[in-house]
Amino acid sequence: EPEVTQTPSHQVTQMGQEVILRCVPISNHLYFYWYRQILGQKVEFLVSFYNNEISEKSEIFDDQFSVERPDGSNFTLKIRSTKLEDSAMYFCASSGLAGRNNEQFFGPGTRLTVL
Amino acid sequence: GENVEQHPSTLSVQEGDSAVIKCTYSDSASNYFPWYKQELGKRPQLIIDIRSNVGEKKDQRIAVTLNKTAKHFSLHITETQPEDSAVYFCAASLNTGFQKLVFGTGTRLLVSP
Repeated sequence: EPEVTQTPSHQVTQMGQEVILRCVPISNHLYFYWYRQILGQKVEFLVSFYNNEISEKSEIFDDQFSVERPDGSNFTLKIRSTKLEDSAMYFCASSGLAGRNNEQFFGPGTRLTVL
Repeated sequence: GENVEQHPSTLSVQEGDSAVIKCTYSDSASNYFPWYKQELGKRPQLIIDIRSNVGEKKDQRIAVTLNKTAKHFSLHITETQPEDSAVYFCAASLNTGFQKLVFGTGTRLLVSP
C-alpha cells in the first residue's frame, strides 16, 4: 500500500538555524498538508497546498515558514530561523482526488529538536 | 473557526469491555469527521470516518455515531483488546474535506489484560 514518507526522522538544530523538512506524498494525490504536534499535545494544522500554491494556513504558519513543491514528488517545509518553541513532531499528509475519499494519509513524522 | 473538544482525556478499561470517546464541534458547516489512532511515536492512522449525511457507521468492533443537531460525535470500541491501547484523536473538517483537519485534544486509551 502506498505511504507518505518523510525525511529526516529526527533533526536537531541550533536556535536561529534554518531547517528543511522533506516529504514525499502518495504519488497520485493532489492535496498536501503540514501539521505539527508538540509533545503530549494535539495535532495542529499548519498549511495546506494545492495546485502549486498555499490554499490555507494557520496563525502558526508565520513568515518564518514556507512550503515548496520543487519537483513532481517532493513537498518541503522550511523554517527560516528556528525558535525553541518550534520543537515538535512535524507530520506531512496528503489526500486524493476530488469526489473520492477525503482521507488524509499521514507520514511517519520528523521530530525537530531546537536547542 | 472550528473548535473540537474531546473527552475523556484518559480512559482505562479491562480487556473485553467497551470504550466510548466523545467529541463536540463548533462549526455546523463541518461535514467530515475522521477518527485517528496514534500509537506511541507513530503516525496518526485513520480507523474510521463519517460524513454528515450519515448518522452511524460501523466497522467490525469500531463504530462512530454523529448527532448533527447537537454537534457531537462518538467513537465506540467493543470487546477491547490490549492492542487497542493508543491515543485516539477525533477531527472535523469543513466543506469538501479537502481542507484542514481540526483535531481534538486526544484520549489515551489503556486496555488492561
